[in-house]
Amino acid sequence: EVQLLESGGGLVQPGGSLRLSCAASGFTFSSSAMSWVRQTPGKGLEWVAAISGSGGSTYYADSVKGRFTISRDNSKNTLSLQMNSLRAEDTAVYYCAKDRGRNFGVVTRFDYWGQGTLVTVSS
Amino acid sequence: DIQMTQSPSSLSASVGDRVTITCRASQSISSYLNWYQQKPGKAPNLLIYAASSLQSGVPSRFSGSESGTDFTLTITNLQPEDFATYYCQQSYNTPLTFGGGTKVEIK
Repeated sequence: EVQLLESGGGLVQPGGSLRLSCAASGFTFSSSAMSWVRQTPGKGLEWVAAISGSGGSTYYADSVKGRFTISRDNSKNTLSLQMNSLRAEDTAVYYCAKDRGRNFGVVTRFDYWGQGTLVTVSS
Repeated sequence: DIQMTQSPSSLSASVGDRVTITCRASQSISSYLNWYQQKPGKAPNLLIYAASSLQSGVPSRFSGSESGTDFTLTITNLQPEDFATYYCQQSYNTPLTFGGGTKVEIK
């Protein structure tokens, strides 16, 4: 059974940092590209970042480029999102999502999602 | 960025009804369109990929179609467990973008 378990969310002040993790199990982790997708009541679902199965390619939404870093440790089946210079508009539930394929691209579809972790940026 | 416009934003329907949700892309995305269902407090769940392919394990009452830049999710014989919010998502270009969602409520 595929399982994705996010952790690391919480309350952080504007300008602060937070690191999210996603522990994966039940599938060959290195064979799947992975993404972070966030959701806010006001803006709906927003794709944030993606990483290929090997970790050699990364992709970011313009809204987080230069502030967030996606990474993975295939030996530990773990996906991470380092979030720096956080802003109020980064407040959201963050989901890690498994891609059907090894590479992120036109055939990307998210066939499994974690339960989400809430990040609140507020003073 | 490719804009995905869903309509309607909400609808009321009864068990057994046929429901149609539309998603329009701001430019051609070929067939790179996925549909998800989300229930309150839960993560989205993949229903349809590549515009019309049914994800494994999803009931056959869900179907998808396309016409140019217009995509449709149809639910036939609506069941109680189908009351949820539905989102489309394009994967033709980065950034991936989602529609604003369609909430299907009980009439």
